[in-house]
Amino acid sequence: GAGVSQSPSNKVTEKGKDVELRCDPISGHTALYWYRQSLGQGLEFLIYFQGNSAPDKSGLPSDRFSAERTGGSVSTLTIQRTQQEDSAVYLCASSFKVGGPTEAFFGQGTRLTVV
Amino acid sequence: QKEVEQNSGPLSVPEGAIASLNCTYSDRVSQSFFWYRQYSGKSPELIMSIYSNGDKEDGRFTAQLNKASQYVSLLIRDSQPSDSATYLCAVNRDNNDMRFGAGTRLTVKP
Repeated sequence: GAGVSQSPSNKVTEKGKDVELRCDPISGHTALYWYRQSLGQGLEFLIYFQGNSAPDKSGLPSDRFSAERTGGSVSTLTIQRTQQEDSAVYLCASSFKVGGPTEAFFGQGTRLTVV
Repeated sequence: QKEVEQNSGPLSVPEGAIASLNCTYSDRVSQSFFWYRQYSGKSPELIMSIYSNGDKEDGRFTAQLNKASQYVSLLIRDSQPSDSATYLCAVNRDNNDMRFGAGTRLTVKP
């Protein structure tokens, strides 16, 4: 696609429910990143994919968080048993196409609200 | 130590002044450096990239890189109220692993 696409754009869920957030990166981009941004705060690194593998999962805040990427393209971030402190904007970015620029491009984010 | 560190601010400058934003990084093998701007409620957008030591100018923006000191800065000349935003420093490590600083909030007062 032309840009990074995230869905849903907004999600309200009840505490304790599981949620899945989707990221569709720019076509051909090999690197994909998930960041979290709480209200008024900076970007918090969650996980980085290179192709389908995740060399660095160190940012995932707990074992309730997991992410996968299939076919070197779409990624899903899953949060199990959501808690109120999980409320934030979840941003996905992709970068690096062989022979192309290396900067990252962001999607519009998913605003997650846990009530 | 965080991979990318920035002063969170807020940094306040009067309209027309020079705003100076600073960033340090920990991974010496980092090759590419970027500045992003994030308006409130929006996603970050790229404004500058720099790959070599020295200065790179683009309009009112100048990025400066010093790899020996592991330091990147962004200067905004003739600051305008529309420049008020959070500025994020990003570092692309050797394996295309992009890391962001927490950002510096800039306010330009009319």
